[in-house]
Amino acid sequence: DQQVKQNSPSLSVQEGRISILNCDYTNSMFDYFLWYKKYPAEGPTFLISISSIKDKNEDGRFTVFLNKSAKHLSLHIVPSQPGDSAVYFCAASESGAGSYQLTFGKGTKLSVIP
Amino acid sequence: DADVTQTPRNRITKTGKRIMLECSQTKGHDRMYWYRQDPGLGLQLIYYSFDVKDINKGEISDGYSVSRQAQAKFSLSLESAIPNQTALYFCATSDSSLAGGADTQYFGPGTRLTVL
Repeated sequence: DQQVKQNSPSLSVQEGRISILNCDYTNSMFDYFLWYKKYPAEGPTFLISISSIKDKNEDGRFTVFLNKSAKHLSLHIVPSQPGDSAVYFCAASESGAGSYQLTFGKGTKLSVIP
Repeated sequence: DADVTQTPRNRITKTGKRIMLECSQTKGHDRMYWYRQDPGLGLQLIYYSFDVKDINKGEISDGYSVSRQAQAKFSLSLESAIPNQTALYFCATSDSSLAGGADTQYFGPGTRLTVL
């Protein structure tokens, strides 16, 4: 039973355009959400997070939107750059459970075409 | 220098061998985690530790054991490696003293383990 789903295995976007990566979750107890970026042969790098008390969080070119009623979050990258080409993982946490375990999606490979 | 380091970065071993993967961090974080990643899948939690005396099983702990030798060191052992343990292994840390910080985990570069 996959609690965090990234339904698009890959996405191609032209440089300068917007990249939108989507993530759905099924566990209504999740209250903290994160996006990680991963290059080949490296560990995941924390990108941006959002608490369930917010519906938007912005950091430079990266914005995460959370729709709690739809159990859906998205990561927007504007403008997209070739260096953004990587695998992006969505992760969720149920902080009230005390374990702070992160549940990951399977990832979306973003390719930004120059 | 990297805040979270893992050794070795690559390891090839045979079925039945004992293997230890090591993780060290200089971030001063109290919590440490071990994950594995299989091709095309997300990361799955093997074990986590909130401090030196607090070790907890994750969702896929069977076949693995861990040791938290110090706040900065957390090792993962495969007592008798089998081929389906071939995967990428990542160590991560987090800081419970930060608001929301316990949920934000920082990862090492990973160890690629192949069990023949």
